[in-house]
Amino acid sequence: SQQGEEDPQALSIQEGENATMNCSYKTSINNLQWYRQNSGRGLVHLILIRSNEREKHSGRLRVTLDTSKKSSSLLITASRAADTASYFCATAAAGANSKLTFGKGITLSVRP
Amino acid sequence: DAGVTQSPTHLIKTRGQQVTLRCSPKSGHDTVSWYQQALGQGPQFIFQYYEEEERQRGNFPDRFSGHQFPNYSSELNVNALLLGDSALYLCASSFTSGGTSYNEQFFGPGTRLTVL
Repeated sequence: SQQGEEDPQALSIQEGENATMNCSYKTSINNLQWYRQNSGRGLVHLILIRSNEREKHSGRLRVTLDTSKKSSSLLITASRAADTASYFCATAAAGANSKLTFGKGITLSVRP
Repeated sequence: DAGVTQSPTHLIKTRGQQVTLRCSPKSGHDTVSWYQQALGQGPQFIFQYYEEEERQRGNFPDRFSGHQFPNYSSELNVNALLLGDSALYLCASSFTSGGTSYNEQFFGPGTRLTVL
């Protein structure tokens, strides 16, 4: 079964715009990670946020975590055509020692 | 510094056959996890190896088995292949110290398995 539920399922924006993707989960977590996948290839690790953190930045990425609402968001600022990919959130449950549970993913299309 | 590598890239098998997939973790990593990703879905956890032992297992039948070698590399074996085993198989490596995993997992490019 999949814990993370990403929203929306698909997103299409113009280059230069910001893209916001949301993820909700059901059980307590140790951390939440976001990944990018291009055309069914391997997953690229984007960012990890721990359960005691509320916000984290990495370059053009901003991730927030609200453990009371069991939700996270990924913001990509000033999007580029190269950001076109599928994005997944993955949760590691408390005590589960690094097993990741993924959602179904969000397909982001950035139009040039 | 090589990242996670997997072989082969693609594989075609027929129902009932057996397959072995291979993974070498990122340098400095000692823990290997395997995931199955069906088309249009997120990856599903199969199992994880640390210190040459299976530490956790997802909801997969015993037809799926694995092994970890002293150099931390790993194999995934699938017996009696079914059409539904067609998927992208992903290997991820991470670092565990003193029994605590640092959780950040780095994925390889995957092996695309097609079962005919």
